[in-house]
Amino acid sequence: EAQVTQNPRYLITVTGKKLTVTCSQNMNHEYMSWYRQDPGLGLRQIYYSMNVEVTDKGDVPEGYKVSRKEKRNFPLILESPSPNQTSLYFCASSRGQPLDTQYFGPGTRLTVL
Amino acid sequence: AQSVAQPEDQVNVAEGNPLTVKCTYSVSGNPYLFWYVQYPNRGLQFLLKYITGDNLVKGSYGFEAEFNKSQTSFHLKKPSALVSDSALYFCAVRDGNRDDKIIFGKGTRLHILP
Repeated sequence: EAQVTQNPRYLITVTGKKLTVTCSQNMNHEYMSWYRQDPGLGLRQIYYSMNVEVTDKGDVPEGYKVSRKEKRNFPLILESPSPNQTSLYFCASSRGQPLDTQYFGPGTRLTVL
Repeated sequence: AQSVAQPEDQVNVAEGNPLTVKCTYSVSGNPYLFWYVQYPNRGLQFLLKYITGDNLVKGSYGFEAEFNKSQTSFHLKKPSALVSDSALYFCAVRDGNRDDKIIFGKGTRLHILP
């Protein structure tokens, strides 16, 4: 089954404790992206990657890091999480550019205390 | 600046009635427009998109959207609403200056009343 998977689905952590949210797709997609969803703000793009070893900042990259060492994986790293990073996070992928249909993961709900 | 607006935070429609979820946009160049739906506790799912061609675009689950260039709108419609259509709907537009970026609206919550 074609899908985007994210782990963990739920995470409660404390300020400053490094964490990684994994994202993997099995569709051989070139484009991958991370979004955060906050009430009243919709989806905002954090980082995206057009292909392996190519990443770029989205609208709200502060406090986040990403890597794209393999085509299928695009982990999101929070080196020192803060409470304002409490949010619902989505990973997405598409065949080429985001003009192609984006396929979204199920989401990761992160709470930073 | 490129932008997309969904003027209604919430729309309530009785089951069986037609529904409309509004979206307006502001971009330079040709607008590429999308609708996505988010069901509870799920990721977003693609509904339909307008790239070029016919102004009326048909998508999944019986939804359609009409591209109106003069009004810079891309409203989502369905002739007869189902309770199962209750969800959060997002309009999105390609950033006119960049092929690698999509801008999402804030979302409209659709409630279909039985």
